[in-house]
Amino acid sequence: GENVEQHPSTLSVQEGDSAVIKCTYSDSASNYFPWYKQELGKGPQLIIDIRSNVGEKKDQRIAVTLNKTAKHFSLHITETQPEDSAVYFCAASSMIKAAGNKLTFGGGTRVLVKP
Amino acid sequence: EPEVTQTPSHQVTQMGQEVILRCVPISNHLYFYWYRQILGQKVEFLVSFYNNEISEKSEIFDDQFSVERPDGSNFTLKIRSTKLEDSAMYFCAGQGAHYGYTFGSGTRLTVV
Repeated sequence: GENVEQHPSTLSVQEGDSAVIKCTYSDSASNYFPWYKQELGKGPQLIIDIRSNVGEKKDQRIAVTLNKTAKHFSLHITETQPEDSAVYFCAASSMIKAAGNKLTFGGGTRVLVKP
Repeated sequence: EPEVTQTPSHQVTQMGQEVILRCVPISNHLYFYWYRQILGQKVEFLVSFYNNEISEKSEIFDDQFSVERPDGSNFTLKIRSTKLEDSAMYFCAGQGAHYGYTFGSGTRLTVV
């Protein structure tokens, strides 16, 4: 089955700096890669996703890049703000079925943005 | 913005007891899931549910677990005889016609 590894496990950045989180996956059939942000006491919230037919996607201060050949994808947060402090999860899935497209998660990265 | 609602937020139960975790998905979602996260570990897939039946389940989802959507709104996860190792955060999620999931806030289950 799919295995997703995520690094680093913790990341401390100064406000205004950039943060980068990297994930690798093992199953070449995976074609959908979402990123989730989890704040304390809340469930994971989708912040950005990318499909395998695209190499990069950007949404304001957040961007995701995908290298299918190397089987890795990354989350980039620019101009970090204290409210970006949270746990971030990457995930992978093969969206080939009509239903039951399970996600395989990375281990999470705890990001702390210091003011 | 529509939300996935989970109740209770925290459940403490004696080992061997049955528990039912409840979820109210977003009304137009078609696919439903349960995931769990043991403290300090990855979020793990348990089961997916579509068209009123299980579409996929993991090795974790053994005979002690069951899911149902009895009234077309509530989506429940039942653990028949809880074990200490069932202690975890359980997340319900829904998915519509698009790819993205919407997760609930989770139920923290503590088995003592």
